[in-house]
Amino acid sequence: EVQLVQSGAEVKKPGESLRISCKGSGYSFTSYWISWVRQMPGKGLEWMGRIDPSDSYTNYSPSFQGHVTISTDKSISTAYLQWSSLKASDTAMYYCARGLRSADYWGQGTLVTVSS
Amino acid sequence: QSALTQPPSASGSPGQSVTISCTGTSSDVGGYDYVSWYQQHPGKAPKLMIYEVSKRPSGVPDRFSGSKSGNTASLTVSGLQAEDEADYYCSSYAGSNVFGTGTKVTVL
Repeated sequence: EVQLVQSGAEVKKPGESLRISCKGSGYSFTSYWISWVRQMPGKGLEWMGRIDPSDSYTNYSPSFQGHVTISTDKSISTAYLQWSSLKASDTAMYYCARGLRSADYWGQGTLVTVSS
Repeated sequence: QSALTQPPSASGSPGQSVTISCTGTSSDVGGYDYVSWYQQHPGKAPKLMIYEVSKRPSGVPDRFSGSKSGNTASLTVSGLQAEDEADYYCSSYAGSNVFGTGTKVTVL
């Protein structure tokens, strides 16, 4: 069974760093791109960027380029989304999803709350 | 890349059909047959319902169908059921990905 399991909810202060994770199982992790998607409270889905786990090639939305970093450790079938300095506006649910042109499997989401 | 345009809401009675539009440009929706549709229930992760304009993943009822004409894609839900009440998002791939603004479907 294909699964993407994300790390748990986080509460952080502005300016702090954070890395959340997405562990794939039940398939060949290096054969499928992983995307990250943001959903701010009460709002729609926003594609942030994606990574090819086979070679760590990344592609970012212009809206998120430079604000987040997507990485992967294929030895443990895990993708990451990280921030070096969080802002209150980063408060959102973050989903990882498998696929390039469409996303056939999704993680359960990681809620990130940034508040002083 | 701007979000694709969807109507904020749509509704229908049980058994009826509802169609949701998704308008982009010739650089995304109109240029490639890589339009997908996602269903999201409150508090849940999105679920893929349609990919490559009109293909259904295994397990998705054939009440869900997709099409495209020019720069506008459409999702039709036939024989509406109570469990179809959800938010629906289109998405297009054109080198990068973009989602639509989302449509809340209400079953009256």
